[in-house]
Parts: sequence; structure tokens; C-alpha cells
Amino acid sequence: GESVGLHLPTLSVQEGDNSIINCAYSNSASDYFIWYKQESGKGPQFIIDIRSNMDKRQGQRVTVLLNKTVKHLSLQIAATQPGDSAVYFCAEKQGAQKLVFGQGTRLTINP
Amino acid sequence: GAVVSQHPSWVICKSGTSVKIECRSLDFQATTMFWYRQFPKQSLMLMATSNEGSKATYEQGVEKDKFLINHASLTLSTLTVTSAHPEDSSFYICSAPTGISYGYTFGSGTRLTVV
Repeated sequence: GESVGLHLPTLSVQEGDNSIINCAYSNSASDYFIWYKQESGKGPQFIIDIRSNMDKRQGQRVTVLLNKTVKHLSLQIAATQPGDSAVYFCAEKQGAQKLVFGQGTRLTINP
Repeated sequence: GAVVSQHPSWVICKSGTSVKIECRSLDFQATTMFWYRQFPKQSLMLMATSNEGSKATYEQGVEKDKFLINHASLTLSTLTVTSAHPEDSSFYICSAPTGISYGYTFGSGTRLTVV
């Protein structure tokens, strides 16, 4: 089945604080996951990815955690900046190539 | 890097008319193109998968006769919204696997408004 994201939840954090955005995915057979950032009126922008043989991956200011047992992904953003304000989506690769998006979260950074 | 160029970026059309959206891969060959639709404050919903030289595969609930997809070359996929109605107003985005380490590249999206 496909994950469906409706009525985006929101997360507000203070500038400089860390943010944690969560996502549940649907297909236990999915082997690759991506976090995207989307700004208003634009296409998704790649942030970080992780394969199912890993449970953690770090990038610059971002960390993705994968819990396959409960089909859960999280994105941690360290020291959030105003430019981090956007909608964040997780996506899972289902089958050979199909990329299905999960629930999004609107992140707002308060000054 | 791999780039997909999507046009137009926005379009306004009258009810009953058809609108064509193009996605071109600029520096790689896109044998597959995914088409998504995104309503305000919602996630990207996969509509269909186009494959060069073959029929597109539509997701459940998506009308193939309304959303015509053509993928006639390795660098061009098109989505035509036929007999558009106001409820078709949405943000349409294409995406292609780049063939590099599971990567995907996205078009910049098309804002369709049907009046």
C-alpha cells in the first residue's frame, strides 16, 4: 500500500534548537529512504538518505534514524536556522524504483 | 548533476480545456518518469509511472483517460490533463531516477489552476 500524507502536522522550534521530525512508512520491504525539504512552490530538495541495512546516517547538521521494527524514520536537524523553515517529507522506495512519499511536517523556526 | 526541466511552471486554463506539462531530462537519459500531484498542505501523491516506449502505469484511483502520459523519448515525458476541471487544480511534479546510487531528481513543478 501507499503512505498518504494529509493535513500536514506542524513543528515550531526556536532558532538554534534541535528539531526532530518523524515519519511512519508503510512497506516493510522498502529498502531505501529519503528525506526531502520542500519550500513553497518548489519541488522537493534532497536532504539525506539511508538504506535499510543501516539504522543511522549523519550529514551536515542532519541525522536520519531508521527503525525497521516499527517502520519509523526520523530526521534530526541540529542548531536550526531560519532557512530550515519548510515542509519536510520522508519517501520510501517501493519495489525497483517507485518512490512514495509519506507524511510531511511543516517546520517553523521562531527567532 | 542530473537535472529535470519542467514546463510550464504555472498555467491557468479554462474548464474543459487540456493542458500539457513537459519534463525533460537535460543531461541524462530518463527511461522512467514519475508523476506526482500535490494539493495544498498535503503530501506528494504518486499518480503514474511513465516508461520510455511503453504504456504508463497508473496508481489506483487515477484516471488514465484523463491524465494522458507520453514518454516517447529517453529525455521527454509529458502529462496532459484533459478536459480539466477546477478540482484538477494542483501542483504537478515529475521525478526521474538518475541511475546514480538510487538518486532521484525532481522537476520544479507546475502550478495548474483551472477556472
